[in-house]
Amino acid sequence: DGGITQSPKYLFRKEGQNVTLSCEQNLNHDAMYWYRQDPGQGLRLIYYSQIVNDFQKGDIAEGYSVSREKKESFPLTVTSAQKNPTAFYLCASSSFGGDLLRNEQFFGPGTRLTVL
Amino acid sequence: GNSVTQMEGPVTLSEEAFLTINCTYTATGYPSLFWYVQYPGEGLQLLLKATKADDKGSNKGFEATYRKETTSFHLEKGSVQVSDSAVYFCALSEDRDDKIIFGKGTRLHILP
Repeated sequence: DGGITQSPKYLFRKEGQNVTLSCEQNLNHDAMYWYRQDPGQGLRLIYYSQIVNDFQKGDIAEGYSVSREKKESFPLTVTSAQKNPTAFYLCASSSFGGDLLRNEQFFGPGTRLTVL
Repeated sequence: GNSVTQMEGPVTLSEEAFLTINCTYTATGYPSLFWYVQYPGEGLQLLLKATKADDKGSNKGFEATYRKETTSFHLEKGSVQVSDSAVYFCALSEDRDDKIIFGKGTRLHILP
């Protein structure tokens, strides 16, 4: 089955540690995205990538970093510079395959990060 | 800039009640409009979409009509079920941009 996988589902981190969240898709999608979800604030875009080896900052990129070495993978690193990292993180992907499909994003199941 | 405003929740209804969740948008061009649903502990799933004015998106008994004159995309369902309990997000995307802008979400509780 095609889809997006995120791992782990739950992640605990001590203050001052960097942590990397995994996102993999087998949908052959060109674009991938990372969002942060906090209660009552909806989704906020962290980073996105439209092609391999290229990515752009979203609205809240500070304290985060990404890489896009393969089309299928878009890992997110939450660094110690992120002041309030506890949140639910969602990865998504989309295709450029024609008007009907353009811009529709498919989401992974999410990773809940808790800083202890 | 572009934005999406949707009614705040939580919205609590009894089973078989009529549902409306209001959504209005601000956009500089001609956006595509979406409703996504998020069940507890899961990611978002696309519920329905509309790509141009007067289009009606529909899925699983839910409907929404793209109203350009009122810049609205209200979600409706004639008879809700307990299984519809979830958070619903209205969203937009402009054709020239690959980013989606989400509303803050509306939590829906359906009582048996």
